[in-house]
Amino acid sequence: TAGITQAPTSQILAAGRSMTLRCTQDMRHNAMYWYRQDLGLGLRLIHYSNTAGTTGKGEVPDGYSVSRANTDDFPLTLASAVPSQTSVYFCASSETGDGNQPQHFGDGTRLSIL
Amino acid sequence: AQKITQTQPGMFVQEKEAVTLDCTYDTSDPSYGLFWYKQPSSGEMIFLIYQGSYDQQNATEGRYSLNFQKARKSANLVISASQLGDSAMYFCAMRDPWGLMTTDSWGKFQFGAGTQVVVTP
Repeated sequence: TAGITQAPTSQILAAGRSMTLRCTQDMRHNAMYWYRQDLGLGLRLIHYSNTAGTTGKGEVPDGYSVSRANTDDFPLTLASAVPSQTSVYFCASSETGDGNQPQHFGDGTRLSIL
Repeated sequence: AQKITQTQPGMFVQEKEAVTLDCTYDTSDPSYGLFWYKQPSSGEMIFLIYQGSYDQQNATEGRYSLNFQKARKSANLVISASQLGDSAMYFCAMRDPWGLMTTDSWGKFQFGAGTQVVVTP
């Protein structure tokens, strides 16, 4: 079925290592987003992209980078992981970036930094 | 600063009863969107319902309805006739209020901390 695919499903990573979380959507949505979910804090936006070739910072961008080379892919990179980046990461997309469209979410990546 | 507030961390509701989940928000932007999502224990995020700030009527989607009180800045979710499958975490979300000022800030959503609902037989 159409939707958003995230990989890996889960990962344990040593502090200081780099990691790229993959996100691919096949709905031809213009806007894509990365969130982290932590207990008691809901979902917090890390980075977003309103269209291919553009990205923007969300609420908690430090320590993360993204790229949007094409419409379908929106990878999230942790250049040097720290334990505070232990979280569940969700990728999402919406038809447009103007905020009136609902977001469709992937199944999440559970990341543990040791 | 938190712009979306969900004051109920958790609640129990009996099957077939209605339940109201509270959500208040803070914005000075006249144009905004409000969303509710459901996250069951399996972890996926499921979109439930949307309310635009200029919509004249409260949004409804099946058993879900949104009690939108613009002057009070509240957007409470009402689930009628609760079912066991409604047990989940529920999140209220709002499009960033700066969205109209620059296209660079379009699409920013903010989520509340969530309300855990447990439906009992």
